[in-house]
Amino acid sequence: GAGVSQSPSNKVTEKGKDVELRCDPISGHTALYWYRQRLGQGLEFLIYFQGNSAPDKSGLPSDRFSAERTGESVSTLTIQRTQQEDSAVYLCASSLNYYGYTFGSGTRLTVV
Amino acid sequence: QQQVKQSPQSLIVQKGGISIINCAYENTAFDYFPWYQQFPGKGPALLIAIRPDVSEKKEGRFTISFNKSAKQFSLHIMDSQPGDSATYFCAASKPSGGSNYKLTFGKGTLLTVNP
Repeated sequence: GAGVSQSPSNKVTEKGKDVELRCDPISGHTALYWYRQRLGQGLEFLIYFQGNSAPDKSGLPSDRFSAERTGESVSTLTIQRTQQEDSAVYLCASSLNYYGYTFGSGTRLTVV
Repeated sequence: QQQVKQSPQSLIVQKGGISIINCAYENTAFDYFPWYQQFPGKGPALLIAIRPDVSEKKEGRFTISFNKSAKQFSLHIMDSQPGDSATYFCAASKPSGGSNYKLTFGKGTLLTVNP
């Protein structure tokens, strides 16, 4: 597609439930990133995928968070046993080279 | 450890004025410094970026000034317009292992341009 597509755009879930967020990167972009943006805060790095290399998971805040990517296409971010502090906008970005990411519009997650 | 410090948190400017947002970084290995613009409900979009081999880069009304010795860089928006009202993020990255272009972001500046 023309841009990075994320779904759903909004998700409300009950505390303790699992959620899965999806990201479709720009075709041909080898790198894919997940960031978290809490209300009024900056962007917090979560995880990075580059081709077939092992992902950089150094930003995942706990073992409740995991992510997968199939080749150079779709990625899913899974949060298990959601907590209220997980409420945030989850942003996905993809890039082809060194110069700049293209972000999706994000998934707004609300845990009630 | 906050590797990129951004100020101010919020900024109000009159139409036609100059908006200035500052960032400071700690890691001297950083070698790519982009600025992103984010409107409500949207993801951040790349606005302008600079490498440390130049001290200034200008694109239209937007200019990045870079001071390598001070480890600081700033965004200047000339002739600010109400449509520039958005949140601005500075960021920095360094090549890691030859392929990891992970960006470290500042906390953002909410710019409001009054008509």
